[in-house]
Amino acid sequence: DGGITQSPKYLFRKEGQNVTLSCEQNLNHDAMYWYRQDPGQGLRLIYYSQIVNDFQKGDIAEGYSVSREKKESFPLTVTSAQKNPTAFYLCASSIGRGQGTNQPQHFGDGTRLSIL
Amino acid sequence: GEDVEQSLFLSVREGDSSVINCTYTDSSSTYLYWYKQEPGAGLQLLTYIFSNMDMKQDQRLTVLLNKKDKHLSLRIADTQTGDSAIYFCAERVEGSSNTGKLIFGQGTTLQVKP
Repeated sequence: DGGITQSPKYLFRKEGQNVTLSCEQNLNHDAMYWYRQDPGQGLRLIYYSQIVNDFQKGDIAEGYSVSREKKESFPLTVTSAQKNPTAFYLCASSIGRGQGTNQPQHFGDGTRLSIL
Repeated sequence: GEDVEQSLFLSVREGDSSVINCTYTDSSSTYLYWYKQEPGAGLQLLTYIFSNMDMKQDQRLTVLLNKKDKHLSLRIADTQTGDSAIYFCAERVEGSSNTGKLIFGQGTTLQVKP
């Protein structure tokens, strides 16, 4: 079945440690996104990528990094510079067809990151 | 700027209709979406409406769009306990970069009482 797979489901980070969250999609989508969700809040965009080997900062990129070496993969690294990393992280993808077209985003099941 | 607002909580009895409201500020919105999030899960796309439409119906779901007032609503008929979840409204805003970027509301928690 086509979809978006995020792993791991739960992740714990020690002080000063970088951790990487995996996001893989087999929908053949060009665009991929990373969001952060805190309790009682909406989704805030961290980074997005419209095409392979290209990505842009979202609204809260500080303390995070990404890469897009393959169309199907968009890993997110939470660096030690991110002082409040505890949150639910959601990856999404969309077809990236063009302006004015319907481009719903499809989501993975999320990774919950906590501080040890 | 771009902003999407939703009320935070709605409680209904099983079998009643639920109406979840959303307001947005950007008049260049093209598509508006409703997503459902169950506990510990990702967002599931429920339905969407194009900005030149007033209404869209899909089984128990009815979406109403008042573009003049920038108001969107989702009506769930015959609400069931399985409908208990957080519902997010999102707008797609066209820009020069065409990111397909969505702006999300804070989410409305729907509680369905038996």
